[in-house]
Formats: sequence, C-alpha cells, structure tokens
Amino acid sequence: DAGVTQSPTHLIKTRGQQVTLRCSPKSGHDTVSWYQQALGQGPQFIFQYYEEEERQRGNFPDRFSGHQFPNYSSELNVNALLLGDSALYLCASSEMGRRSNYGYTFGSGTRLTVV
Amino acid sequence: GQQLNQSPQSMFIQEGEDVSMNCTSSSIFNTWLWYKQDPGEGPVLLIALYKAGELTSNGRLTAQFGITRKDSFLNISASIPSDVGIYFCAGHLILLQGAQKLVFGQGTRLTINP
Repeated sequence: DAGVTQSPTHLIKTRGQQVTLRCSPKSGHDTVSWYQQALGQGPQFIFQYYEEEERQRGNFPDRFSGHQFPNYSSELNVNALLLGDSALYLCASSEMGRRSNYGYTFGSGTRLTVV
Repeated sequence: GQQLNQSPQSMFIQEGEDVSMNCTSSSIFNTWLWYKQDPGEGPVLLIALYKAGELTSNGRLTAQFGITRKDSFLNISASIPSDVGIYFCAGHLILLQGAQKLVFGQGTRLTINP
C-alpha cells in the first residue's frame, strides 16, 4: 500500500518564477493538507483540501494556491517566488472525519530552493 | 495565533541514557501528537494523546497530556542509535466545516554518542 507520494523531490527556481508541487495521497484518504517547513523549524500549515475545495487556510499570502483533483491528488502552486519561500514542502493526507491519530500520513516532501 | 514552545532545542546524550522533552502552548488543544522526523523524510507519528492527564506508552516511549491541555512531555528510555532525529510536538485543531490542522513546535534535535 503506497503512502503519500510527492514530486519532485528537489527543485531549484529563480526569484519571480512560479512553481507547482504535486501530491498523491495514501490509498483510502480523501483529504490533503500542505505544510511549509523552513530549515530548523517545525512545519507550518498552508491549507487543506477536501472535495476539491480549500477548506482552511493558514497565514500564507495569496501567492500560495492549490488544487485538488477528483482522484484526491493535489497540487500546490507558488507564484512570484521569493528567497524566503525556500523550504521543505510537506503534503499530508488523511480521511475526513477520522480521528487524528489514524489520519495524518506525511510524504517525504519537496525541497524547494529559490536563488 | 497558536504557538507551541518546545524544549530543549537540542540534546546530546550517551547511548543508553533516558531522554525527556516537553512542549507548552498558550492555547488549549484537544489532541496532542508527538512525531519523529528523519533527514529527508516527513514526520512519522509516535504517540497520540486525547485526554487531559492521559499517560500513553509505545515501547520505550512514554508521553503525557497535561491536565490543563496546554502542555505535554515525551520520554524515551534507554536510548539507542536509531532514536537520533528531530522530535516534534503538535497540537491538533478541528476548525470550521470540519477542516483540521496541526500546529507544530520548533522541534528537539536528538544526537546520541555511541
């Protein structure tokens, strides 16, 4: 049973560019959350998608947007990249309504470097 | 917004020693979680706590949910080399329309000298 799959694993972009990160949730999961983890910090919640809609958003600017597809996979888009956007981006999948201890499975992340 | 303060930030211990780390919050959480993150990987759940005062064990790991719902600790007994990594506490929130999110601490980096 595959867990959460994220692609690409590493990415280097230039300031001002746009980037798209992808996530395939664990089988049986219908909800995808995205987190940003800066170096030496804990993950920070970006937003959560369920039924192809953004359900909740953290304290991130509109440059961060997302999408969820009918097969539950998700994309994270970041426009007008800044140096400060350099981080590990984690995708976590879960099943809406399940208790949290069974709910969250994290992917290995995408390491984004903005130069 | 919610913040979790985790301490210590780093620990350097000898193999076989016990480890203790804790997490405090300015907000109340209904569920506390402890995760471990290895280099190049995402966080992996170690223990989940649901009730104030709850004490839960998972092998050599023991965690407790504070009575006030604003703190938690994690103990690791008889540390072994594979315990090396970064440990995170996280508070779980259920939001509007059933959405959920985790609020993470800053992490405790554990290093073990053989």
